[in-house]
Amino acid sequence: QKEVEQDPGPLSVPEGAIVSLNCTYSNSAFQYFMWYRQYSRKGPELLMYTYSSGNKEDGRFTAQVDKSSKYISLFIRDSQPSDSATYLCAISGDYKLSFGAGTTVTVRA
Amino acid sequence: EAQVTQNPRYLITVTGKKLTVTCSQNMNHEYMSWYRQDPGLGLRQIYYSMNVEVTDKGDVPEGYKVSRKEKRNFPLILESPSPNQTSLYFCASSSQTGELFFGEGSRLTVL
Repeated sequence: QKEVEQDPGPLSVPEGAIVSLNCTYSNSAFQYFMWYRQYSRKGPELLMYTYSSGNKEDGRFTAQVDKSSKYISLFIRDSQPSDSATYLCAISGDYKLSFGAGTTVTVRA
Repeated sequence: EAQVTQNPRYLITVTGKKLTVTCSQNMNHEYMSWYRQDPGLGLRQIYYSMNVEVTDKGDVPEGYKVSRKEKRNFPLILESPSPNQTSLYFCASSSQTGELFFGEGSRLTVL
């Protein structure tokens, strides 16, 4: 079993829709939860970072962590064509960082 | 500008011909790491380095070598490349907050 499982997608949504991305993890020692965004032909860049259960908002983005269920989510409100990218969850703890396989999102104008 | 620079960005080579992918960061980060990215498998760590002269294996180290003689540089060496090492490679460095800064990637094809 992989340490981090991410819904594979791909997702295609109309502009303005809410995008929901999800990951589950198996190791309860994981403490830090991140979402990276990767545009085509580019390296991943950090989008959201949190270390506690609950919600964290940053503009149109909300990261949600449920440690009891070992489940994390990223929501994108009012999605824009510029949000079209691959989104990777990343979870770390005990000096180890594990990535999900990524979900490719396309926002149609 | 803070950045991680990898070279070459694209490379086609043949089985067994040694190659090196260079990585340099200008942020004075102690931690550096190499990943490979393959469809459906995501990012998998090859090697990482906590500081100069300190390196350790990641999840998929077979067939790779690294060195960390200077803080800013962390080259990835493929002594005898094979077709299963065809992949997209990323170098990354990390601040003390844990945020990883990635290079733009090196696409390697081994024939």
